[in-house]
Amino acid sequence: TQLLEQSPQFLSIQEGENLTVYCNSSSVFSSLQWYRQEPGEGPVLLVTVVTGGEVKKLKRLTFQFGDARKDSSLHITAAQPGDTGLYLCAGVWWRGYGGSQGNLIFGKGTKLSVKP
Amino acid sequence: DSGVTQTPKHLITATGQRVTLRCSPRSGDLSVYWYQQSLDQGLQFLIQYYNGEERAKGNILERFSAQQFPDLHSELNLSSLELGDSALYFCASGKTGGASPYNEQFFGPGTRLTVL
Repeated sequence: TQLLEQSPQFLSIQEGENLTVYCNSSSVFSSLQWYRQEPGEGPVLLVTVVTGGEVKKLKRLTFQFGDARKDSSLHITAAQPGDTGLYLCAGVWWRGYGGSQGNLIFGKGTKLSVKP
Repeated sequence: DSGVTQTPKHLITATGQRVTLRCSPRSGDLSVYWYQQSLDQGLQFLIQYYNGEERAKGNILERFSAQQFPDLHSELNLSSLELGDSALYFCASGKTGGASPYNEQFFGPGTRLTVL
């Protein structure tokens, strides 16, 4: 069972279009992270959202954490070919200070291709 | 460049063999995390070490083991290799032991293991 479901799995769009990718779970997370991974490289952290309802912007990327902290979305405005890559969401279960760990649970990702 | 180094970049071996993957964390980071990424399962957490001690275990097989040395570099040992162990193996490092909802992790470039 995949704890974090990402949709769509694949997305191919033209430069200049807008898009939204989703990350959904039935579990509550302490926080949620978004990563971007390019072929042959490791994932790179884009943002961490912690508070339910939180919205963070990173240039043309807007990240939102659901009110119940079970889901998140990533919206890209005016996509560019440089946005091409695998977008991964990761849920963090934090057991509190003095707790044992804050493991990352990853979704399978959305593979985005932006054509010029 | 995340500052995390992994060697080797590629590894091709035969079933039944044993291999060792190496990871050097970013300067100042005490935690090392190991992940396996395959096409069907996505990015799966294997194990975490913090300052030389095992901190958390994920979906790590009994044939796999890891350790973190006093200089904080880590090795992941994979033995009795099977075809299904072919995957990308990533190491990530972080400052904290995971006791934070942020739990920022910085990923290395990965080792691509091919078992023939």
